[in-house]
Amino acid sequence: NAGVTQTPKFRVLKTGQSMTLLCAQDMNHEYMYWYRQDPGMGLRLIHYSVGEGTTAKGEVPDGYNVSRLKKQNFLLGLESAAPSQTSVYFCASSYGGRRSYEQYFGPGTRLTVT
Amino acid sequence: LAKTTQPISMDSYEGQEVNITCSHNNIATNDYITWYQQFPSQGPRFIIQGYKTKVTNEVASLFIPADRKSSTLSLPRVSLSDTAVYYCLVGDRQAGTALIFGKGTTLSVSS
Repeated sequence: NAGVTQTPKFRVLKTGQSMTLLCAQDMNHEYMYWYRQDPGMGLRLIHYSVGEGTTAKGEVPDGYNVSRLKKQNFLLGLESAAPSQTSVYFCASSYGGRRSYEQYFGPGTRLTVT
Repeated sequence: LAKTTQPISMDSYEGQEVNITCSHNNIATNDYITWYQQFPSQGPRFIIQGYKTKVTNEVASLFIPADRKSSTLSLPRVSLSDTAVYYCLVGDRQAGTALIFGKGTTLSVSS
């Protein structure tokens, strides 16, 4: 099993550009999440999904959109990138219910917005 | 969500047992205690979860006193590869969408 994979691993954008980050999991997990981590900080939840076709806002959703068209994929979009979105982005997945705190994380995408 | 407090950093030597304590005075009845480990440039990894008394797995032990206002993650005989940030999280484990990571404890293991 590959677990949770993220594409791309690195990306540099100019202010105003758009991009999509792809997350894929092969564990048949119901729940999927997008976090961002800034230097010296913990992770903050951006958006999450509790099933195919569903999405919801997390702690810091502004400037991001997500889609979960297939159970195994969770996409994070930046429509107009800003320097404040420079960060490391982590995708995670988990079973629902009692095991939702046992999340499996991907390797991260390091995004720089200039 | 219960707020957690843990030391910013800890130092240890190879072969020693390391205990990281987390305070969570406002823990609710349905809350579980979960610990994650994060290596540099990697995503966090689930270590252990517990509700009360003691939980042990192949990686660590988790000790939770009767009042559940604190918990201790115990790492036996650490090695250099245990150098990482350790996060303590408290919450209703059926609400994983509310998983909130603080700054964690940076453990540095030296030889």
